[in-house]
Amino acid sequence: DGGITQSPKYLFRKEGQNVTLSCEQNLNHDAMYWYRQDPGQGLRLIYYSQIVNDFQKGDIAEGYSVSREKKESFPLTVTSAQKNPTAFYLCASRVGQGAAEAFFGQGTRLTVV
Amino acid sequence: AQRVTQPEKLLSVFKGAPVELKCNYSYSGSPELFWYVQYSRQRLQLLLRHISRESIKGFTADLNKGETSFHLKKPFAQEEDSAMYYCALRGGGSQGNLIFGKGTKLSVKP
Repeated sequence: DGGITQSPKYLFRKEGQNVTLSCEQNLNHDAMYWYRQDPGQGLRLIYYSQIVNDFQKGDIAEGYSVSREKKESFPLTVTSAQKNPTAFYLCASRVGQGAAEAFFGQGTRLTVV
Repeated sequence: AQRVTQPEKLLSVFKGAPVELKCNYSYSGSPELFWYVQYSRQRLQLLLRHISRESIKGFTADLNKGETSFHLKKPFAQEEDSAMYYCALRGGGSQGNLIFGKGTKLSVKP
């Protein structure tokens, strides 16, 4: 079954701890993205990567970090510096930076207590 | 500035009634616009794109450059249309990242 897989679906962490969200795709897409989805805020871009070993900050990158060591994987680390980490996180991919359609994962709901 | 505005957070209609979800954009070049939909417990997915001029699940959207709008319409709403709808604009520059509106929750009542 091809697509984008995010894991876990639900994640709980204590305040002050770093946590890493997984995103894997087997679509052979070059471009991958992390969005944060909050009620009434829509989707806000955290980080994106157009190619392996390269990534760029999005609109709300503070308190987050990413890596892109493999084409298939784009993990997101929510650090303790993120002031309001509790949110729904969506990973997406596109064939390339010029592609129209983005394909999304099922999302990870992170709750920091 | 590149921006997508969806003025309605929530739109509630009865089954069989027409529905129009509003989307306005701000973009200096030739825009490429999309509607994405997120049904309950499902992933966000592309519904339609203006360039295709297609009708998907009875929905259509026409790009109006004069009014900088890309409203989503359906003549007769169905209960299964209840979902979160996002209008998106493909931004400029080499990245062409998607810029999303804040979304409109459509509720179709029986």
